[in-house]
Amino acid sequence: DAKTTQPNSMESNEEEPVHLPCNHSTISGTDYIHWYRQLPSQGPEYVIHGLTSNVNNRMASLAIAEDRKSSTLILHRATLRDAAVYYCIPPYNNNDMRFGAGTRLTVKP
Amino acid sequence: EAQVTQNPRYLITVTGKKLTVTCSQNMNHEYMSWYRQDPGLGLRQIYYSMNVEVTDKGDVPEGYKVSRKEKRNFPLILESPSPNQTSLYFCASSLGTLSPLHFGNGTRLTVT
Repeated sequence: DAKTTQPNSMESNEEEPVHLPCNHSTISGTDYIHWYRQLPSQGPEYVIHGLTSNVNNRMASLAIAEDRKSSTLILHRATLRDAAVYYCIPPYNNNDMRFGAGTRLTVKP
Repeated sequence: EAQVTQNPRYLITVTGKKLTVTCSQNMNHEYMSWYRQDPGLGLRQIYYSMNVEVTDKGDVPEGYKVSRKEKRNFPLILESPSPNQTSLYFCASSLGTLSPLHFGNGTRLTVT
């Protein structure tokens, strides 16, 4: 089963880009990488997912390494509302999303 | 508005008193799942359901039951709650396997 490693915490200044890294060296060739975030007092929220190439949506960009052993979630301009715990998740079995500890992002004004 | 609705948001009960936490989604999703979240342990899956009448155990199913009689509803049942089931519970749904999950706002359960 794929395991992930993320930093426990990161800090960013408001309106600056944020790069949140994730290592998933044991991922299989067909596993998508999903990213979720959890704002304080809320349920997790889907951010983005991808398989091999870089992906963009209105919330963020996902850069996946060529060897797929790591990926980076990019918030292009962090806002105070982006302060949350960010989870990098390769699916386990049939859509069992194994949420680890994630990265707690603090955004400073 | 597309959403996953859990009720109640907060529940305090005593050991052994059966309770049900309801979960309903209005997106016609086939897949539904229950998680519990505890400090230091992250989110752990309790049960999931791939479709009506199809349920399966997740990581921590002991002490819980679920049913999926209709597509939109996936209640979580604690037949005899114990203090170690005090936790924050989340219901989630998605179109299918590997599709993005939509989460409810959570139910904070305290068992004394």
